[in-house]
Amino acid sequence: GAVVSQHPSRVICKSGTSVKIECRSLDFQATTMFWYRQFPKKSLMLMATSNEGSKATYEQGVEKDKFLINHASLTLSTLTVTSAHPEDSSFYICSAQRGGWLGDTEAFFGQGTRLTVV
Amino acid sequence: AQKITQTQPGMFVQEKEAVTLDCTYDTSDQSYGLFWYKQPSSGEMIFLIYQGSYDEQNATEGRYSLNFQKARKSANLVISASQLGDSAMYFCAMSPRMDSSYKLIFGSGTRLLVRP
Repeated sequence: GAVVSQHPSRVICKSGTSVKIECRSLDFQATTMFWYRQFPKKSLMLMATSNEGSKATYEQGVEKDKFLINHASLTLSTLTVTSAHPEDSSFYICSAQRGGWLGDTEAFFGQGTRLTVV
Repeated sequence: AQKITQTQPGMFVQEKEAVTLDCTYDTSDQSYGLFWYKQPSSGEMIFLIYQGSYDEQNATEGRYSLNFQKARKSANLVISASQLGDSAMYFCAMSPRMDSSYKLIFGSGTRLLVRP
């Protein structure tokens, strides 16, 4: 199956600093990537949809200036948590799909990034 | 509104027995896809099985089968011959076809524990 690589898998940062998380599709071109956030023992909540070459579409309630998403190429999307605070600590996971309707192709997930802000 | 409901926060099953994880969904779309994912403690999301809304036959993938009842809007996952490695969180998800973003809507999940 297709591989999506997410890096880093774990990161600890100081409050006020920014953290960049990368999501790469290794063996296919991902026209669309999704960023999810998962709180402990909770479900995945979609944060934003990232399309190559265009601005990301954010879900209601997600701060665009806090969570910067860039989809610079068909194989790379990045999520930057700016001026991180302890409440931003969470598990962030990306997914990528080749294109077309999801029913025609499964979404491939990265390994996730556990962010801890101290 | 699109919604996925998983009413079982936790389930136990004896090793080698079958278990059914419940999932109901709510959508006004005629075309949609239903998915099940497994999330072990490591956090990765592992795709298990897919069912299209127009598929007449229930999907099967090895020990996994999806009991799709369209009229009742349910898409239960059946795991046969449970193994200890099946202990994990299981998420039901839906992708509405009419939503051009093709995003996945997840249920709250069911934690399955397989007893030896």
